[in-house]
Amino acid sequence: NAGVTQTPKFRVLKTGQSMTLLCAQDMNHEYMYWYRQDPGMGLRLIHYSVGEGTTAKGEVPDGYNVSRLKKQNFLLGLESAAPSQTSVYFCASSFRGLGANVLTFGAGSRLTVL
Amino acid sequence: RKEVEQDPGPFNVPEGATVAFNCTYSNSASQSFFWYRQDCRKEPKLLMSVYSSGNEDGRFTAQLNRASQYISLLIRDSKLSDSATYLCVVPSYSGGGADGLTFGKGTHLIIQP
Repeated sequence: NAGVTQTPKFRVLKTGQSMTLLCAQDMNHEYMYWYRQDPGMGLRLIHYSVGEGTTAKGEVPDGYNVSRLKKQNFLLGLESAAPSQTSVYFCASSFRGLGANVLTFGAGSRLTVL
Repeated sequence: RKEVEQDPGPFNVPEGATVAFNCTYSNSASQSFFWYRQDCRKEPKLLMSVYSSGNEDGRFTAQLNRASQYISLLIRDSKLSDSATYLCVVPSYSGGGADGLTFGKGTHLIIQP
C-alpha cells in the first residue's frame, strides 16, 4: 500500500519555465490537496479537490493550476515559475466529511526556482 | 488573535524528561483538534486527535481547554526519537470541510541525550 506518492521529489527550474507535479493516491480518498511549506510560514493550502473533475482555490492559489481528471491523481502545474515559488510542496488526501480532518501526506517535492 | 498560534521553540529537553507545549486557536466553533508530527525534511503525520475529554496514547497526552481556547500536548519519559516539529491543526468548520484545516507553524522539540 503506497499511500500518497509524489513525483518528482526534487526539481530545479529557471524563472519562466513550466512544470507539473504529480500526486497519486491508492486509498480511494475523495479529497485531495496541494500545500506548500516555507520556513516560518507553516503549511498553506494552494488548491484542493473534493472529487474527480472538481478543483477549488485555497489560501495561496496564484501562479498555480490544478487538474483532477482521475480520482486517484491530482496534478499541480506551474505555468511560469518564479523564485517566490521555491518551496517544499506536499500533496495530501483524505476521506470526505469528518474524515477530511485527517490527512495523509506524500513525502514532498522540493522545488527550487533560480 | 491569529487563527492558530504555537511557540516555535526550540524546546531543548533532556532524555527522560516530561515536556508540554500549547497551541492557542481563535475559532471558538472548532469542535475537534489534531496534533501532527513532522520529522526534519519529511511529511507531517497524524500523531493524535484531541477531543473534549482529552486523549492519551502511551506517553502522549493531549488535552483541550475550550474556555481558554488552547490545546496542549504532553510527552512523558521523552525519547531521542521524539525530536521533531509538532504541528497543531484546527478545523475551521464543525464538520469536515476540505479547505477548513488551519495548521500552526509548529513547535520544534529537541530531545538531548
